[in-house]
Amino acid sequence: EPEVTQTPSHQVTQMGQEVILRCVPISNHLYFYWYRQILGQKVEFLVSFYNNEISEKSEIFDDQFSVERPDGSNFTLKIRSTKLEDSAMYFCASSEDRMNTEAFFGQGTRLTVV
Amino acid sequence: GEDVEQSLFLSVREGDSSVINCTYTDSSSTYLYWYKQEPGAGLQLLTYIFSNMDMKQDQRLTVLLNKKDKHLSLRIADTQTGDSAIYFCAESSTNAGKSTFGDGTTLTVKP
Repeated sequence: EPEVTQTPSHQVTQMGQEVILRCVPISNHLYFYWYRQILGQKVEFLVSFYNNEISEKSEIFDDQFSVERPDGSNFTLKIRSTKLEDSAMYFCASSEDRMNTEAFFGQGTRLTVV
Repeated sequence: GEDVEQSLFLSVREGDSSVINCTYTDSSSTYLYWYKQEPGAGLQLLTYIFSNMDMKQDQRLTVLLNKKDKHLSLRIADTQTGDSAIYFCAESSTNAGKSTFGDGTTLTVKP
């Protein structure tokens, strides 16, 4: 069964450092998403990406964040100058099309900023 | 903005039915979802319902939607210990990937 894979599963970084979270969406999917879940809080939408550009982003997704599809398979989330409050589980998701009922989620990357 | 609310905890005995409730505020919600998250794992889509449906049944899962009251429920029949997890209700109005999630209901199934 096709799945969304995320690496690493756990990343620890020092405050102020840059991190890149990686995702490999399902191969025939065209829409890609990042969500985050701060421990004990809701899953929050960050950004959606289609046709090599951001299609929608939330208020959380400020200049500190960027996304990229550097090649035909990877979809990355870069966080510049990490802060303690960026510690969270980050989920990548992909869907076949915009109106598709199902977005497939990866297992998540737990980011810990120390 | 949109909001989705769930009760935080539910405890049932193995073999009983579990009912997890959810309310949402966005009247333009088109898709409503139930996700399951086991400890340390990602989000697994369990089932979904379109807003023009009242009910959907899928094996042990029954989803009821009261669009007038903006109330969604998930019933799990014959609950098993393996059903212990956090269950998230989510809604989206247009873009299936951009969903608003509830806080999640932690279901504990006691033997």
